[in-house]
Amino acid sequence: QVQLVESGGGVVQPGRSLRLSCAASGFAFSSSVMHWVRQAPGKGLEWVALISYDGNTQYYADSVKGRFTISRDNSKNTMFLQMNSLRGEDTAIYYCVSSRPEDGTIDQWGQGTPVTVSS
Amino acid sequence: DIVMTQSPDSLAVSLGERATISCKSSQSVLSRSNNKNYLAWYQQKPGQPPKLVISWASTRESGVPDRFSGSGSGTDFTLTISSLQAEDVAVYYCHQYSNLPYTFGRGTRLEI
Repeated sequence: QVQLVESGGGVVQPGRSLRLSCAASGFAFSSSVMHWVRQAPGKGLEWVALISYDGNTQYYADSVKGRFTISRDNSKNTMFLQMNSLRGEDTAIYYCVSSRPEDGTIDQWGQGTPVTVSS
Repeated sequence: DIVMTQSPDSLAVSLGERATISCKSSQSVLSRSNNKNYLAWYQQKPGQPPKLVISWASTRESGVPDRFSGSGSGTDFTLTISSLQAEDVAVYYCHQYSNLPYTFGRGTRLEI
């Protein structure tokens, strides 16, 4: 079955960096658009970024543009999120999310990895 | 950006009764090219990631009970649970995937 396993979260000071990873299995990863979606404590869902199936195209939410970079390695079925210049408002659970290749619907979610930005 | 407005913020419904959640988008999410509404509903239970329940505004996902239904088109959408069960207690989010940046509603907390 589909598995999306995030790792790399933790506690980091403001201004520092963190790199999240997402290991995918059980579906056609290299054919799927992938996303990161985050959820601040007690809050709703915020779409963060997406990357095309081949890694050539990326889109970002304005709140992270210029600070975060999404990438993927299809040979290892893995997606990444490089987060630089972290701020307190970046504190959230970060979910790795996949879209169905046939229609782009976001359908599968990982369990999430928590990121806390605090001094 | 397309703003998704859900109402109500929270809703208490008795077991076996109907629950109705509204979602309005600030612009149409209906594609003229394929006549599909790029609108999904997710269910999130405490401590769990969201789960897709409805896609394309009205297509129930495999394994989702038929008491769940979605309706609407353009800018106005509704998620209905026809006969609330205890396991339906959750926060429900609408989501548009018509335009980037993708956006979500703020969520509706459904309680018994």
